[in-house]
Amino acid sequence: EAQVTQNPRYLITVTGKKLTVTCSQNMNHEYMSWYRQDPGLGLRQIYYSMNVEVTDKGDVPEGYKVSRKEKRNFPLILESPSPNQTSLYFCASSRDTLGSYNEQFFGPGTRLTVL
Amino acid sequence: AQKVTQAQTEISVVEKEDVTLDCVYETRDTTYYLFWYKQPPSGELVFLIRRNSFDEQNEISGRYSWNFQKSTSSFNFTITASQVVDSAVYFCALSEARGTASKLTFGTGTRLQVTL
Repeated sequence: EAQVTQNPRYLITVTGKKLTVTCSQNMNHEYMSWYRQDPGLGLRQIYYSMNVEVTDKGDVPEGYKVSRKEKRNFPLILESPSPNQTSLYFCASSRDTLGSYNEQFFGPGTRLTVL
Repeated sequence: AQKVTQAQTEISVVEKEDVTLDCVYETRDTTYYLFWYKQPPSGELVFLIRRNSFDEQNEISGRYSWNFQKSTSSFNFTITASQVVDSAVYFCALSEARGTASKLTFGTGTRLQVTL
């Protein structure tokens, strides 16, 4: 089954404790992206990647890191999480390199709480 | 800068009513793509439709229809004879591609509540 998977689905952590949210897709997509969803703000793009080793900032990259060492994986790293990073996070992928022309396929979401 | 406005934060209707969700966008580009996604209470994001800026034909898919009007920069979504299963948050999104960069901007969403 074609899908985007994220782990963990739920995470409660404390300020400053490094964490990684994994994202993997099995559709051989070039483009992958991370979004955060907050009430009243919709989805905002954190980082995106158009290919292996090619990543770029979205609208809200501060406090986040990403890497794209393999085509299928695009982990989101929070080096020192803070309470304002409490949010619902979505990973997405798309079959076109720019992620513009075709729909994006979303993972199930990761609900992160930073205390 | 591109922008998507969904002015309706929440809409409540009774089952079988028709409902229209508004989406207004801003862009400087002549080539762009518009999308609608559905987020049911379970939380996942489900793709509904994509429309490119050169295709202004309205589209109907079952009880769903979309009205794209470049003259008013709108891409509205109508559900005919709504059902309880239509209860969800609906997002409109705009995508632009410029050279090697792309950007997908979402609206803030409209929560639709359909009751019996």
